[in-house]
Amino acid sequence: QKEVEQNSGPLSVPEGAIASLNCTYSDRGSQSFFWYRQYSGKSPELIMFIYSNGDKEDGRFTAQLNKASQYVSLLIRDSQPSDSATYLCAVPTLTQGGSEKLVFGKGTKLTVNP
Amino acid sequence: EAGVAQSPRYKIIEKRQSVAFWCNPISGHATLYWYQQILGQGPKLLIQFQNNGVVDDSQLPKDRFSAERLKGVDSTLKIQPAKLEDSAVYLCASSFQGTPYGYTFGSGTRLTVV
Repeated sequence: QKEVEQNSGPLSVPEGAIASLNCTYSDRGSQSFFWYRQYSGKSPELIMFIYSNGDKEDGRFTAQLNKASQYVSLLIRDSQPSDSATYLCAVPTLTQGGSEKLVFGKGTKLTVNP
Repeated sequence: EAGVAQSPRYKIIEKRQSVAFWCNPISGHATLYWYQQILGQGPKLLIQFQNNGVVDDSQLPKDRFSAERLKGVDSTLKIQPAKLEDSAVYLCASSFQGTPYGYTFGSGTRLTVV
């Protein structure tokens, strides 16, 4: 099974700063990568996905992918206290039945201090 | 569009007892997933259904866990007998045709085994 590694943190940044969350993966053949946000006591919700090398921006969030280094990151600009959550990196992998399932990392807990 | 429904929201049982969780996916979603999320870890897939067939149950502890999706709609996950290490949040998710791009999670069932 594919491995997805994340720094468990916790990561603490002041309000307004850039938060950088990192993820590495073991399978060089992985094509797409997902970032989920999970508030305490809530279920994961999709923030964004990326499948091309380079950057993908969505509002204050930027996903960066480097397939050669097997590395994907999530940058949160102008961090807000409401961004405080655990961020999960996920990679699809094929099941025996030929469909796909998401394999998740352990997550990085982010705290944004006012 | 109604989301993924799960019940109960919380459950406390003693070890060696049995417990069942219920999930109703988004209407029209053929693929249903049960994930286990232990505190401080990322979600781990237990079983994946495509309609009423199992496509992946490689990480399901089959000596104590069972799941069914008889009519290809709602699903039940059962644990019998429960162990202390089964304490976790059990998340149900669904997607349209097994694509990870359309994953939607339910609110989860928090199980505590004492």
